[in-house]
Amino acid sequence: NAGVTQTPKFRVLKTGQSMTLLCAQDMNHEYMYWYRQDPGMGLRLIHYSVGEGTTAKGEVPDGYNVSRLKKQNFLLGLESAAPSQTSVYFCASTAYGDTQYFGPGTRLTVL
Amino acid sequence: GQQVMQIPQYQHVQEGEDFTTYCNSSTTLSNIQWYKQRPGGHPVFLIQLVKSGEVKKQKRLTFQFGEAKKNSSLHITATQTTDVGTYFCAGTNTGFQKLVFGTGTRLLVSP
Repeated sequence: NAGVTQTPKFRVLKTGQSMTLLCAQDMNHEYMYWYRQDPGMGLRLIHYSVGEGTTAKGEVPDGYNVSRLKKQNFLLGLESAAPSQTSVYFCASTAYGDTQYFGPGTRLTVL
Repeated sequence: GQQVMQIPQYQHVQEGEDFTTYCNSSTTLSNIQWYKQRPGGHPVFLIQLVKSGEVKKQKRLTFQFGEAKKNSSLHITATQTTDVGTYFCAGTNTGFQKLVFGTGTRLLVSP
């Protein structure tokens, strides 16, 4: 069991470039989440999904899009990256809302 | 929207001293979870509290959920260097679909 994996681990973008972050889980979890973590601000929810084919906005959704075409995968897209999106991005999954299992994170820098 | 604050933001203790972090929500919570994040790592689930006034222990860690279900605390007895990290509380008042994370308390333990 790999648990929750994230690809890539690190990425540097220029302003205006686009990219997709991939999250995969092998625990057959229904719920999946994308968070961003900035110094002194804890974890803030970007988007989440309560099942295959569903997505919903979290606390800070602007500038991001998501898709959950397969139950095990949750993709986070940045269409036009901005320096304000420099952050560490964590994906998490849970069966039905109890323990959240986090991936190792993606460190994104936007220049 | 729902806000969850933690105090202190940072604490530096000598090994063997006790440590407490407090979590306060602007709204009543249906449950609260605690996570630990080691430096450079990802959040790892510690425990979940559901009942008003609930107290749970894990070895040297004691977790408490307030009677009004708006606050919680984590107390570590006789800290060790392995306790270093950031401790987050996270709660929900909308069922179990999504959590709101606190701002975190960073603990540093000197030998």
